[in-house]
Amino acid sequence: GQQLNQSPQSMFIQEGEDVSMNCTSSSIFNTWLWYKQDPGEGPVLLIALYKAGELTSNGRLTAQFGITRKDSFLNISASIPSDVGIYFCAGQLEANNLFFGTGTRLTVIP
Amino acid sequence: NAGVMQNPRHLVRRRGQEARLRCSPMKGHSHVYWYRQLPEEGLKFMVYLQKENIIDESGMPKERFSAEFPKEGPSILRIQQVVRGDSAAYFCASSKTQETQYFGPGTRLLVL
Repeated sequence: GQQLNQSPQSMFIQEGEDVSMNCTSSSIFNTWLWYKQDPGEGPVLLIALYKAGELTSNGRLTAQFGITRKDSFLNISASIPSDVGIYFCAGQLEANNLFFGTGTRLTVIP
Repeated sequence: NAGVMQNPRHLVRRRGQEARLRCSPMKGHSHVYWYRQLPEEGLKFMVYLQKENIIDESGMPKERFSAEFPKEGPSILRIQQVVRGDSAAYFCASSKTQETQYFGPGTRLLVL
């Protein structure tokens, strides 16, 4: 099955700093998505990318769909305490199931 | 607009009992997906259903697990004769078309 590896596994940053995380796959995907999961909750969609090379922003978040279709990155600018959580990338090949990455756990120190 | 709803949020079962997890998709959504998440891991796909039909069950264990999405009512994920290894968070997602999936809050199953 498809393997999605996220790095880093965890990050500790100061409030106000920028954050960068990425996701690589052994297979190509047609869609890349980034989700955030808070403790005890389900994943919440942050950004969806549908085209290789696409760069999309959503407020302080920016994500890119890699040209090779095997990777994606997510940047968060000027982090705030509520950015704390686990960030998951997910790849979608056909229009059914998502393949999730291993997650990046973000801690923001006020 | 209500989001995806799942109940119960927490479920405790003893080994050998049955677990029934319910998912009500967002209004107007006819596609439902079930995922399982073990601690410290990402979500793993189990099954994809569209009203009354199972479209893809490639991630579903062959035994003890079943899913349905009847014409009326919520989607049900049923686990028979639960074992300790079934302890996990089970998430349901729904979509209007075969694109963006919106997730529910999950059901945390603990098997004693």
